[in-house]
Amino acid sequence: GESVGLHLPTLSVQEGDNSIINCAYSNSASDYFIWYKQESGKGPQFIIDIRSNMDKRQGQRVTVLLNKTVKHLSLQIAATQPGDSAVYFCAGQGGYKLSFGAGTTVTVRA
Amino acid sequence: NAGVTQTPKFRILKIGQSMTLQCTQDMNHNYMYWYRQDPGMGLKLIYYSVGAGITDKGEVPNGYNVSRSTTEDFPLRLELAAPSQTSVYFCASSLTLRGSSGNTIYFGEGSWLTVV
Repeated sequence: GESVGLHLPTLSVQEGDNSIINCAYSNSASDYFIWYKQESGKGPQFIIDIRSNMDKRQGQRVTVLLNKTVKHLSLQIAATQPGDSAVYFCAGQGGYKLSFGAGTTVTVRA
Repeated sequence: NAGVTQTPKFRILKIGQSMTLQCTQDMNHNYMYWYRQDPGMGLKLIYYSVGAGITDKGEVPNGYNVSRSTTEDFPLRLELAAPSQTSVYFCASSLTLRGSSGNTIYFGEGSWLTVV
């Protein structure tokens, strides 16, 4: 199976700064990874994904980096805004199942 | 766009009671999932379905049952509620099973269940 974990349970960021959220996975067979954002009282929302044949993918203000050598991925949020305050989950897929990490709570300071 | 709709949003159950969490999606997705999320934890897969009439167990299926009589609906049944089933439940759906860019798993808003 897959074990996915986040490095820090909480992250406090100054508004306007860049945020980096880290995640490690255990299954070398995982070939697809997703970052989700979960706001209070809501379900997870897709942010960005990356396949294992890539090491970087960019979206709008977000970048995901994948390092397969050390089984690590990160989510970078540029110019963090108050609306970015949420819990962020990484998920890895090997086979049919997505395995989720425990989440990092990001708090944006004004 | 409705997406994935779950009901009820909140429910308190007594130990031993039964209930069904309803889930419906209007995106014509083949794949549907039920996850539970305990405080401070990631989501754990309870059951999933690859199409009408086909269901399979996930990581934590004990104490739950599902059915998939139509493409749209995927109800989750708790037969004898236990305090350990106090959690937030999320229904989700996707077009295909294998992840790929553009094949997003869409989640419902969640159902908060407390068993006392």
